[in-house]
Amino acid sequence: DADVTQTPRNRITKTGKRIMLECSQTKGHDRMYWYRQDPGLGLRLIYYSFDVKDINKGEISDGYSVSRQAQAKFSLSLESAIPNQTALYFCATSDPNRGYYGYTFGSGTRLTVV
Amino acid sequence: SQQGEEDPQALSIQEGENATMNCSYKTSINNLQWYRQNSGRGLVHLILIRSNEREKHSGRLRVTLDTSKKSSSLLITASRAADTASYFCATDVAGGTSYGKLTFGQGTILTVHP
Repeated sequence: DADVTQTPRNRITKTGKRIMLECSQTKGHDRMYWYRQDPGLGLRLIYYSFDVKDINKGEISDGYSVSRQAQAKFSLSLESAIPNQTALYFCATSDPNRGYYGYTFGSGTRLTVV
Repeated sequence: SQQGEEDPQALSIQEGENATMNCSYKTSINNLQWYRQNSGRGLVHLILIRSNEREKHSGRLRVTLDTSKKSSSLLITASRAADTASYFCATDVAGGTSYGKLTFGQGTILTVHP
């Protein structure tokens, strides 16, 4: 099994629908992140969580919400999907307090909003 | 504005040649990291260099860091077709309580021709 698992891998949804992207990890890392990737824009941070009780907005949090259900699970929701949320979404983990400064990424969720 | 900006945006070379990618950033950092992304896949951590380090090696990878110029370079020696990917720099900005949170550049697309 992958260290960081994202589901679904691909999703097509309609404008206005609520959708949840899920991420689970077996690394035992404290920190989890959600990024989106758009062509030519690199990765932009949506939300991050340093532990189960700590949730923080990233640079582009509008239109998104998250839930850290457990140390191993971090979900991203689009409350009312719009076409400009079409992107590749990545979950990542790290644990710099234990020396794991590099991120471990999931394989991504390709989301299309029509 | 992006913390990390990479140059060139795209690089095309022949197998066996060296590939050099550059990253510039704006604010002081704790460390700088390089990642590789194969098309549409999750990013993979390659190497980390701390702010008090000037050069680091890992296999065919050589990373340099010049904090006075706020820049880093990634050199891949003796490139192979399998090195074809996008390469991203990411900075861990110094100061505040968000250490360990990375800001990614826009990436360099490397194509290695057999």
